[in-house]
Amino acid sequence: GAVVSQHPSRVICKSGTSVKIECRSLDFQATTMFWYRQFPKQSLMLMATSNEGSKATYEQGVEKDKFLINHASLTLSTLTVTSAHPEDSSFYICSARDLGQPQHFGDGTRLSIL
Amino acid sequence: QQQVKQSPQSLIVQKGGISIINCAYENTAFDYFPWYQQFPGKGPALLIAIRPDVSEKKEGRFTISFNKSAKQFSLHIMDSQPGDSATYFCAAKATSYGKLTFGQGTILTVHP
Repeated sequence: GAVVSQHPSRVICKSGTSVKIECRSLDFQATTMFWYRQFPKQSLMLMATSNEGSKATYEQGVEKDKFLINHASLTLSTLTVTSAHPEDSSFYICSARDLGQPQHFGDGTRLSIL
Repeated sequence: QQQVKQSPQSLIVQKGGISIINCAYENTAFDYFPWYQQFPGKGPALLIAIRPDVSEKKEGRFTISFNKSAKQFSLHIMDSQPGDSATYFCAAKATSYGKLTFGQGTILTVHP
């Protein structure tokens, strides 16, 4: 079945650094990818939607200059958290879908900013 | 109008019992209603989904009941097992809108 691979699964870094998270669809073409953020014991909050080859559409309140999203191919999207600070620490989850198909989620990235 | 309200927040069930989680929505444009299961430290996994043209869908021990007039849908887990202990999210999507709206989640604990 459809597999979405997210890397790294966990990252710890110092405040002020930039962190890149990769999301790959392994066995299907991901025409659309989504990036979510999840705080402990809370639901998933959609950050942005990206279509291959187009600029990402960000949800209200999400800083596009802080969370850079690239969806350059049908199997890869990246999220870069720029100049990360402790308040950016969270669980980031990507999902992907092909046209008319259900969304499939990656296993998330636990980001901890010291 | 984009909200999906999920209840209860947490649920404790004995092994072999039935777990029931409920969701309600407002947006009548929603036409796809999936349920996701999430284990700690993992992403959500699609469990079962329904479209509003049917009132019930069953897959193994998991059943979705859908009431279009009441704008409610629920997940029933029959013969609940300790391995079912996880957080469950309902969601809804309008095909034209394209984005999933998630409920708040239910933490299910199944005691052996």
